[in-house]
Amino acid sequence: DAKTTQPNSMESNEEEPVHLPCNHSTISGTDYIHWYRQLPSQGPEYVIHGLTSNVNNRMASLAIAEDRKSSTLILHRATLRDAAVYYCILRPSNSGYALNFGKGTSLLVTP
Amino acid sequence: EPEVTQTPSHQVTQMGQEVILRCVPISNHLYFYWYRQILGQKVEFLVSFYNNEISEKSEIFDDQFSVERPDGSNFTLKIRSTKLEDSAMYFCASIPDSPSGANVLTFGAGSRLTVL
Repeated sequence: DAKTTQPNSMESNEEEPVHLPCNHSTISGTDYIHWYRQLPSQGPEYVIHGLTSNVNNRMASLAIAEDRKSSTLILHRATLRDAAVYYCILRPSNSGYALNFGKGTSLLVTP
Repeated sequence: EPEVTQTPSHQVTQMGQEVILRCVPISNHLYFYWYRQILGQKVEFLVSFYNNEISEKSEIFDDQFSVERPDGSNFTLKIRSTKLEDSAMYFCASIPDSPSGANVLTFGAGSRLTVL
């Protein structure tokens, strides 16, 4: 499986934008880039996913590099509720959902 | 918003006992999953289930584990003879239909299993 690399932790101030990076230099052409997050004591929660183009939804934006070897999850205005572990996961389009969660980035949001 | 419901939220059991963890996936979903997370470690895939069959399983999912959809709503994970190392959060998840690029997993809140 193609691997992702994320910083162990990041910190942000409340109401500021947050850019969470993910490197995936061995990504293949059919790999989707998925982001999930896990709030304390909860199950993982879907955030956003994309293949080649940038994506926006009500939770976040996903910026994908032109060569697809990296991506950035953007939270436009962090709230205290956004404090969570964020996972960047590659999922081949022809495979199931045995997702490899990795260690993710622990985001701390301070008031 | 539709939810994946898991019971019990916490179960304490003695080593060697059988445990059944229950999940009610979202009603129109067809593919079901179990993941687990040992305290302080990463979320790990256990098994996927479709059309009353296991479609994929990890090395963790050995003969001690089994899954079943006993009726039209429940999806269960059975651990036949629990070991100390089975202590973990167990998460159920589901997707509506075929694992295409458009689908995403919806997870339940988890069942915490403590084996003494």
